[in-house]
Amino acid sequence: AQSVTQLGSHVSVSEGALVLLRCNYSSSVPPYLFWYVQYPNQGLQLLLKYTSAATLVKGINGFEAEFKKSETSFHLTKPSAHMSDAAEYFCAVTEGSSNTGKLIFGQGTTLQVKP
Amino acid sequence: EAQVTQNPRYLITVTGKKLTVTCSQNMNHEYMSWYRQDPGLGLRQIYYSMNVEVTDKGDVPEGYKVSRKEKRNFPLILESPSPNQTSLYFCASSLNAPPTGGQYFGPGTRLTVT
Repeated sequence: AQSVTQLGSHVSVSEGALVLLRCNYSSSVPPYLFWYVQYPNQGLQLLLKYTSAATLVKGINGFEAEFKKSETSFHLTKPSAHMSDAAEYFCAVTEGSSNTGKLIFGQGTTLQVKP
Repeated sequence: EAQVTQNPRYLITVTGKKLTVTCSQNMNHEYMSWYRQDPGLGLRQIYYSMNVEVTDKGDVPEGYKVSRKEKRNFPLILESPSPNQTSLYFCASSLNAPPTGGQYFGPGTRLTVT
């Protein structure tokens, strides 16, 4: 069965510092992996996705994530945090190759950016 | 404008009173899904649909029903709501089924059951 674990429910960084949000998954078949962002009082927006092409995936707003099969990880990074990055971030996985429509989300990580 | 719309956005109701939350997308997407979001639990999938007349259970389907009679609409039905269904609900759609390309999310419906 699929599962997603996001380490750290809250992460706080200073403006300009590196952002690192951790995501580990378990999947019995090659996964499709996603990061979504949710700003206050809004729906979720797709940041980036891994679909078995390049292992380093670039997304919107300067974010990127690296798929590491050996570590079953898909951590999200941004070199320099901006105040506007403060939001909740969700990692998600689906097993596309098994043709199921199930999508599993992690519990979310709230990113705080301090001036 | 490409979008997923949900109605109502806010709803307060009483235990046992049937309700329907509508979801509509204008992108001709194959896949649609419902989620509930609760603090500390992230998003949990309730039901999903891979195409018209094709629906399946997610992780938390108890107490909910759905239908997919036409491609653009995917209503969520609570036949007899209970207080533990108080939550923030999101509808989402994806061009592909399964949703390997990511999903578009609606703005959410905040439901309170007293």
